[in-house]
Amino acid sequence: SQQGEEDPQALSIQEGENATMNCSYKTSINNLQWYRQNSGRGLVHLILIRSNEREKHSGRLRVTLDTSKKSSSLLITASRAADTASYFCALTQSNQGGKLIFGQGTELSVKP
Amino acid sequence: EAQVTQNPRYLITVTGKKLTVTCSQNMNHEYMSWYRQDPGLGLRQIYYSMNVEVTDKGDVPEGYKVSRKEKRNFPLILESPSPNQTSLYFCASSTYAGTSGYEQYFGPGTRLTVT
Repeated sequence: SQQGEEDPQALSIQEGENATMNCSYKTSINNLQWYRQNSGRGLVHLILIRSNEREKHSGRLRVTLDTSKKSSSLLITASRAADTASYFCALTQSNQGGKLIFGQGTELSVKP
Repeated sequence: EAQVTQNPRYLITVTGKKLTVTCSQNMNHEYMSWYRQDPGLGLRQIYYSMNVEVTDKGDVPEGYKVSRKEKRNFPLILESPSPNQTSLYFCASSTYAGTSGYEQYFGPGTRLTVT
């Protein structure tokens, strides 16, 4: 499959803990993006990391990209109940004109 | 406010009755696309458009049509809906993706049920 594969499929943690989600893929990419989706609602862009970047930060979010291992991780530090959502990685491939290919997502539950 | 709007948000219809889901963006984006989201299958692209009058098939185009007569609008047309098109549909837009890719802005979704 060309899509990103996310791990774990579901994650349940307590407020204040860190949450780590992983995304692996099989083809070369131009960039990798992470999106968040609250139940049944539209996706919201979180962060984009290009293939020549190794790490990016945005507030409590930290994204890493290892192109040699074809994997990325999203770390949410000091999680809050409001972080409860599904998180998706999405790939932009070199030969696909910018098309996004989504993974199946990680369902994060943060318990107060 | 920069946004992508979709209408209707919810629709229940019967097999074979033509319907259109509208999508509009106010960000002057060149690139627009439609996705469907199904449990266990994630988001799959139906059609996309790189600019006015330029559209192309995504991964699951069968049973759908689109048009891009104006930059801001990208309607999704189901000429003869079938139950397997019951799904959650999202419209998205971005600055022209090219080979670099840009963040996409998503609409709120349209939940379609075909009986």
